[in-house]
Amino acid sequence: SYVLTQPPSVSVAPGKTARITCGGNNIGSKSVHWYQQKPGQAPVLVIYYDSDRPSGIPERFSGSNSGNTATLTISRVEAGDEADYYCQVWDSSSDNWVFGGGTKLTVL
Amino acid sequence: QVQLVQSGAEVKKPGASVKVSCKASGYTFTSYYMHWVRQAPGQGLEWMGIINPSGGSTSYAQKLQGRVTMTRDTSTSTVYMELSSLRSEDTAVYYCARQGVTLDYWGQGTLVTVSS
Repeated sequence: SYVLTQPPSVSVAPGKTARITCGGNNIGSKSVHWYQQKPGQAPVLVIYYDSDRPSGIPERFSGSNSGNTATLTISRVEAGDEADYYCQVWDSSSDNWVFGGGTKLTVL
Repeated sequence: QVQLVQSGAEVKKPGASVKVSCKASGYTFTSYYMHWVRQAPGQGLEWMGIINPSGGSTSYAQKLQGRVTMTRDTSTSTVYMELSSLRSEDTAVYYCARQGVTLDYWGQGTLVTVSS
């Protein structure tokens, strides 16, 4: 089955840029979606189809996808961005939806 | 506005079954697939499966095949997820999530605790 690999944690100072990676075999050929989850809450979609933002998501959130790595970039990080972030793809070979293990973003 | 409202928390004994409901409103129920995703305490998200509310067809995660059943009731715009032969590892928060371009709306989650 298809595996998505994320770093367990990323730390960044307020106002700086955070980059969260999601690795997978030839992930660049798939559509990657990103979710933000704060403690005790349901996940919220922040990026879909690699780089599109749903309405209401700040422009500070952006995404890219190429080769074996997709990246969620959060610019001008704020304290309110502290959360767990999950990447997700659809694996056509198994017809399963797959989530990465999640990355905890800490704002220093 | 789109809303997915799930049933309340459950406590079950090992070997029992649990059925969680997810009532949709604010959109045409049969026009969007519905997924179930679970999250064990302190762990990541795990995809469980998908149901087409229009025809009722389903697809389940291989890991849960044989133990999970997803159904729907179009008269009440409700989808259900039933998990049988419960074990302690099934203790988790269970979410329903609507598939727009992807999982764009989520229910509030239902905590299922499996304990003797």
